[in-house]
Amino acid sequence: NAGVTQTPKFRILKIGQSMTLQCTQDMNHNYMYWYRQDPGMGLKLIYYSVGAGITDKGEVPNGYNVSRSTTEDFPLRLELAAPSQTSVYFCASSYSLGTSVREQYFGPGTRLTVT
Amino acid sequence: EDKVVQSPLSLVVHEGDTVTLNCSYEVTNFRSLLWYKQEKKAPTFLFMLTSSGIEKKSGRLSSILDKKELFSILNITATQTGDSAVYLCAVTPLRGETSGSRLTFGEGTQLTVNP
Repeated sequence: NAGVTQTPKFRILKIGQSMTLQCTQDMNHNYMYWYRQDPGMGLKLIYYSVGAGITDKGEVPNGYNVSRSTTEDFPLRLELAAPSQTSVYFCASSYSLGTSVREQYFGPGTRLTVT
Repeated sequence: EDKVVQSPLSLVVHEGDTVTLNCSYEVTNFRSLLWYKQEKKAPTFLFMLTSSGIEKKSGRLSSILDKKELFSILNITATQTGDSAVYLCAVTPLRGETSGSRLTFGEGTQLTVNP
């Protein structure tokens, strides 16, 4: 299993440009998440999904959009990039059934700089 | 709003020392607390704690939860340079089936182990 994979690893965007961060998992996990991590800070949840076709906002959703058309893929879209979106983005997945909690597995991250 | 506070924010020790990292939290309807290790890339899972007073142990690392006082500690004995990393604490609330796996992270403790 490759686990959680993310592309690209690095990206530099100009203000106002758009891009999609890709995330794929091959563990058949139903839950997927997007976090951002600013320097010296913990991770903040942007969006999450509990299954294909279902998404919901996290703590910091403004400026981002997501979709979940398949179990495996959970892309994150930035429509109008702003310097405040300069961060490292992590995708994660987990398997949850009912109220049981399992740990989240993280991808390697995408380092995004907006100038 | 859920809140996680970790202390100290950074710690420098020598190989062989024992360290204790602290995590206090405020969360409505606590479900679980998780510890992750992050070495310049994706966080990797260490422990999940759900019950008070039960120690989880893996090699030189151990962790315990106090649900009455709302905190957890992560102990590392006989530290090695490979233990140098950021240690993240996160909590997940019991707030319905679909939101129950959301993690709220602390800022992390940067541990540096010098030879």
